[in-house]
Amino acid sequence: GQNIDQPTEMTATEGAIVQINCTYQTSGFNGLFWYQQHAGEAPTFLSYNVLDGLEEKGRFSSFLSRSKGYSYLLLKELQMKDSASYLCAVADGYQLTFGKGTKLSVIP
Amino acid sequence: KAGVTQTPRYLIKTRGQQVTLSCSPISGHRSVSWYQQTPGQGLQFLFEYFSETQRNKGNFPGRFSGRQFSNSRSEMNVSTLELGDSALYLCASSDSDHTGELFFGEGSRLTVL
Repeated sequence: GQNIDQPTEMTATEGAIVQINCTYQTSGFNGLFWYQQHAGEAPTFLSYNVLDGLEEKGRFSSFLSRSKGYSYLLLKELQMKDSASYLCAVADGYQLTFGKGTKLSVIP
Repeated sequence: KAGVTQTPRYLIKTRGQQVTLSCSPISGHRSVSWYQQTPGQGLQFLFEYFSETQRNKGNFPGRFSGRQFSNSRSEMNVSTLELGDSALYLCASSDSDHTGELFFGEGSRLTVL
């Protein structure tokens, strides 16, 4: 079966760093995606990891450990506009299986 | 380049009715996926089409069906609507013939009364 876990909610302060963790147990694995979804909007792509290690893209970084079934999304220099839900998704065959998302609130 | 377009954006139906939702992918994208999003369950995979063929299907009852046309546009249909079908239905397209980055539409918000 497919099981993807991530925290339901997190709160962080503007300018700080926050790490959102994701653990997964899936029957197959073709890569791990992170998406951002603002309230009332469509999810948008943030990052993709298929090999172990860290991928950095501006203020956002994503890490993957396939042996541990673990990933995290690191957001640096938090801004108010980063308040959103962050979705972890595992690629398996021709589908993405999503976690339930982590709602991040950035406070002044 | 135009994004993924879904119609209608909002609709209200009553139990027992059926509904058809439409999705136009980004030009050149041949893969279209459908997801149901609810507050309690998050994004759940419905099905994926590539070049008019359904390649994968999620764990939804047979009331949920879909198809893809030769121009890559896709429709999904839900028959005999139930209250629990109230959700945001998201369509996503991809230019990859394997699982790649998905580009989502704004969704169709269905309310079943």
